[in-house]
Amino acid sequence: QQQVKQSPQSLIVQKGGISIINCAYENTAFDYFPWYQQFPGKGPALLIAIRPDVSEKKEGRFTISFNKSAKQFSLHIMDSQPGDSATYFCAASKRGTGNQFYFGTGTSLTVIP
Amino acid sequence: GAVVSQHPSRVICKSGTSVKIECRSLDFQATTMFWYRQFPKQSLMLMATSNEGSKATYEQGVEKDKFLINHASLTLSTLTVTSAHPEDSSFYICSALSRGNTEAFFGQGTRLTVV
Repeated sequence: QQQVKQSPQSLIVQKGGISIINCAYENTAFDYFPWYQQFPGKGPALLIAIRPDVSEKKEGRFTISFNKSAKQFSLHIMDSQPGDSATYFCAASKRGTGNQFYFGTGTSLTVIP
Repeated sequence: GAVVSQHPSRVICKSGTSVKIECRSLDFQATTMFWYRQFPKQSLMLMATSNEGSKATYEQGVEKDKFLINHASLTLSTLTVTSAHPEDSSFYICSALSRGNTEAFFGQGTRLTVV
């Protein structure tokens, strides 16, 4: 059973546009929601993360929006650049279980010049 | 952020041989390490969780006798793929967590090809 559902599977955005990736979860015990960026042949790198006590977190061009009641969270990449082309994974974890991370299925983002 | 070093980044081995992959936390003590497997264009699949000094906990469907995990120190965990077969070819990734922290840091991954 997929604990975290992610969409879309792939996304093509024009340079300068906004990339939006969505995730949904079921387990209300999750209390940490990170986003990871992965380039081909590399391990995932933490991009930005949020806890459920805030509805939005912004770091540079990256923003997480969090809707606790809907159990959804999304990543917005403003002013998307070709260098942002990568696969993005959302994840969720809960404390007290060895911090096991449950990953979404990934979104392949392509930013075209 | 914290650094997790995974080695080797690529390895090719013959069918029937064993391969060891190392995962080191360079600037923090990793009380918990996770090992993942990733197929092309797919998500990370958790294989096992290891806590320093204790036996690893394997996910359902992962053969513990085939994928040997050792977490003997707070900075090193190893994954040994025993009697490797071509179907074991995959991208293996480790991540490490320090006590009391939520954020996990990932290694660079190891591309294993069994011929």
